[in-house]
Amino acid sequence: AQKVTQAQTEISVVEKEDVTLDCVYETRDTTYYLFWYKQPPSGELVFLIRRNSFDEQNEISGRYSWNFQKSTSSFNFTITASQVVDSAVYFCALSVRPRGNKLVFGAGTILRVKS
Amino acid sequence: GAGVSQSPSNKVTEKGKDVELRCDPISGHTALYWYRQRLGQGLEFLIYFQGNSAPDKSGLPSDRFSAERTGESVSTLTIQRTQQEDSAVYLCASSLRRDGYEQYFGPGTRLTVT
Repeated sequence: AQKVTQAQTEISVVEKEDVTLDCVYETRDTTYYLFWYKQPPSGELVFLIRRNSFDEQNEISGRYSWNFQKSTSSFNFTITASQVVDSAVYFCALSVRPRGNKLVFGAGTILRVKS
Repeated sequence: GAGVSQSPSNKVTEKGKDVELRCDPISGHTALYWYRQRLGQGLEFLIYFQGNSAPDKSGLPSDRFSAERTGESVSTLTIQRTQQEDSAVYLCASSLRRDGYEQYFGPGTRLTVT
């Protein structure tokens, strides 16, 4: 079975601080995909990134960066110089090939960025 | 281009009534998914369509829940004899194909069963 754990229920930071959201996953499959989604107060889920299990390169997109480490089954997400607009619930998710690509979500981390 | 749309955005119904929730995926997306999000919780998978067939219905919580997809486009999720525990936001997502493609989510339908 697949499982995603986001141990941090809620994080509060002050604007301009860096923050890392943790994600640990479990699967026995060798081919899988990892995702991060953002759910702002408006409620609509926004896709942020996808990673496949064969690509361990870290990725940076503006203030966002992701650290994928198979050795620890982790896919952590860092926001540099956080802004109030980053306040949202962030979900890490896993899908496994060839199980139809359904996403298994973590419980989410609530990020509050205060000005 | 147009994203995933869902209707209605809000639905209040009395316990025991049937409801239908609609999803219009992104044009050309062959895979379509339904998820449920209870208040303050993560998303639970309900059902997945590839084209018009549903290879994975493992997340449907009971036989009161059913879904269909027609014309490789619109999908309808039907909940019969609604119960209070069915209250949640029902989210639809679509992806270009299955197997690792990112899913794009609609705004959801907030269902309240009184």
